[in-house]
Amino acid sequence: LAKTTQPISMDSYEGQEVNITCSHNNIATNDYITWYQQFPSQGPRFIIQGYKTKVTNEVASLFIPADRKSSTLSLPRVSLSDTAVYYCLVGESNSGYSTLTFGKGTMLLVSP
Amino acid sequence: EAGVAQSPRYKIIEKRQSVAFWCNPISGHATLYWYQQILGQGPKLLIQFQNNGVVDDSQLPKDRFSAERLKGVDSTLKIQPAKLEDSAVYLCASSLYQIGDRTGTGELFFGEGSRLTVL
Repeated sequence: LAKTTQPISMDSYEGQEVNITCSHNNIATNDYITWYQQFPSQGPRFIIQGYKTKVTNEVASLFIPADRKSSTLSLPRVSLSDTAVYYCLVGESNSGYSTLTFGKGTMLLVSP
Repeated sequence: EAGVAQSPRYKIIEKRQSVAFWCNPISGHATLYWYQQILGQGPKLLIQFQNNGVVDDSQLPKDRFSAERLKGVDSTLKIQPAKLEDSAVYLCASSLYQIGDRTGTGELFFGEGSRLTVL
């Protein structure tokens, strides 16, 4: 089973760029890498998904090296409202379907 | 577009009682998921449906938990009898993903969850 490892917590200040790295050494060929954000008392919210190289959307970038054994979520110019738990997920492909398993996540604290 | 609806938002029961949670996914979403999130932990997948069929229930404690998705739309998750360790938030999510999709699972849309406290 593909597992992910990411830092338990990170601290940053408003306006800084934050990079959260996740390792997934056992990623399978068909697996995609997905990141979610979760605020207290809310369900997780999709941030970005990618397979290789770089993916960018309006809120974040996702960098995936050629070996795909790790990935980095980049949040440009964070604000206080980016304080949340960030989860890195790798799809677990089994019998043709894919299941997403959440790890412990990274608690990001953004200070003024 | 309406999001994933869940009810009730909060439920307090005593151990050995039963409880049921309801989920209405986003219209047209083939895949529905139930996750359990214990305080301080990431969500744990309990069961995954595609339409009205189960594709993964390997982590569902089947001696006490059951789930169904009749007609491939709404779903209910039941716990009977409840234990103290079942205290958690039960999250429902849906997605357009279908078995065989080669573009990843896509975006999962989560509801706000149902918080269960077992006393």
